[in-house]
Formats: sequence, C-alpha cells, structure tokens
Amino acid sequence: DIQVTQSPSSVSAFVGDSVTITCRTSQNVNKWLAWYQQKPGEAPKLLIYSASTLQSGVPSRFSGSGSGTDFTLAISSLQPEDFATYYCQQAESFPLSFGGGTKVEIK
Amino acid sequence: QVQLVESGGGVIQPGRSLRLSCVGSGFSFSSCGMHWVRQAPGRGPEWVAAIWHDGSNINYADSVKGRFTISRDNSKKTLYLEMNSLRADDTGLYYCVRQVQVPYSGYAYDFWGQGTLVTVSS
Repeated sequence: DIQVTQSPSSVSAFVGDSVTITCRTSQNVNKWLAWYQQKPGEAPKLLIYSASTLQSGVPSRFSGSGSGTDFTLAISSLQPEDFATYYCQQAESFPLSFGGGTKVEIK
Repeated sequence: QVQLVESGGGVIQPGRSLRLSCVGSGFSFSSCGMHWVRQAPGRGPEWVAAIWHDGSNINYADSVKGRFTISRDNSKKTLYLEMNSLRADDTGLYYCVRQVQVPYSGYAYDFWGQGTLVTVSS
C-alpha cells in the first residue's frame, strides 16, 4: 500500500503571504496526485489533479508541482477564504490514500 | 449542475447492518466511476470502495473488505454501500464521490455529496 505523508501539519500565515505544502508518497505515483481544500462543516473540494492541473473554477493563486514521490501545493497571496485544511491524495492505485492534512491558520 | 445526495446514515449498534444510498443528478451517471469515502470525526478522509461505471470492476479498502459491498443501479442513477458487521471504528461521515471525468487523471474526485453520518455505538 502507498503511504502519503504531508508536511507541515499546520502553518500560520498572514493574508497576502505565500504558503507551500509538501506531500510525499512511499512509492512512485507518477503524476497521479490530487489536492483538496476542506473548510469546517463542508465536504473536501478538489483544487488540483494530475499533480499540476487546476480544477475548473479554482483561482490561479493555487498551483501544484511534482512527480514521482514528491509534490508541492503552493498558495500565493493568501486570501481570507483560503484558511482551511488541505489534503493530498495519491490517485494512482488501490487502495487509494490521503495525507494527514495541513491546517492553514491566520496569524 | 452535478448533485450527489446521500441517505441512509444513522445510529446503529455494533454488529448490525446499514445500507447507504447516493442519487446522482446533472450528469451522465452511467459513464462515471463512483467511490465512497469516509471521514471520522476530526480525522482526514479515508477511501472506502470504488466501482467502475458499468460495475465491472470493484475495489475495497482492507478495513472494510468482506464486510461492505458497493453496488450501483445505473437505471436509477443510484450508488449503494451495504455495510455489515459494523464496528465502532466505522463511525464517520460517508461521502459519495465522482471520479474526475478527464482521461488519464487518475482516481481523483471532482464532486462530493454532503455526506451521511454513520454512528456505530451501543
């Protein structure tokens, strides 16, 4: 089974800052990695799939990169609505698996 | 617009059974791979099961294999999850999710239902 490790588990930032979240998989998943944003009381929302493809309607301040086992989600110029928990998911093979999450908090 | 509406959750005693349903609308349900993903309180999402668009291929997480059964009725645009021998650690919000409908996108999910809560407790 593929293990997915996210870091950091939490980060504090100001509105306008840039934030980077890292996801590492225990095996090569090529580019089959997705990122989600979840706000309290809501279902996760797809931000990026295939490591770097922005889902329709997602602001361009979100970007994803990486391949193989190391991936990054970058958020430039944080907006108030971006404070949430972010999860990565390996979408390459069963059993599918998610990272432990990164909570982005307001400093 | 795409909608996924789950139902069937509730409070259930350990060892009992429950059947979840998810009705899809606003898209071609019979063309889409569908999954169940659950989330325990305060935890991250956990993949549970997947079924191909035509039901020809099915996969389960080890934690539910042999106890849960995923199925679908494309004529009713409905996805099901039959859950038997329920345990306390099956407690959580169960989401019906749609696979991204872009070729070579892997098993990512572009639409999620609102979830149905399953609480396993005596």
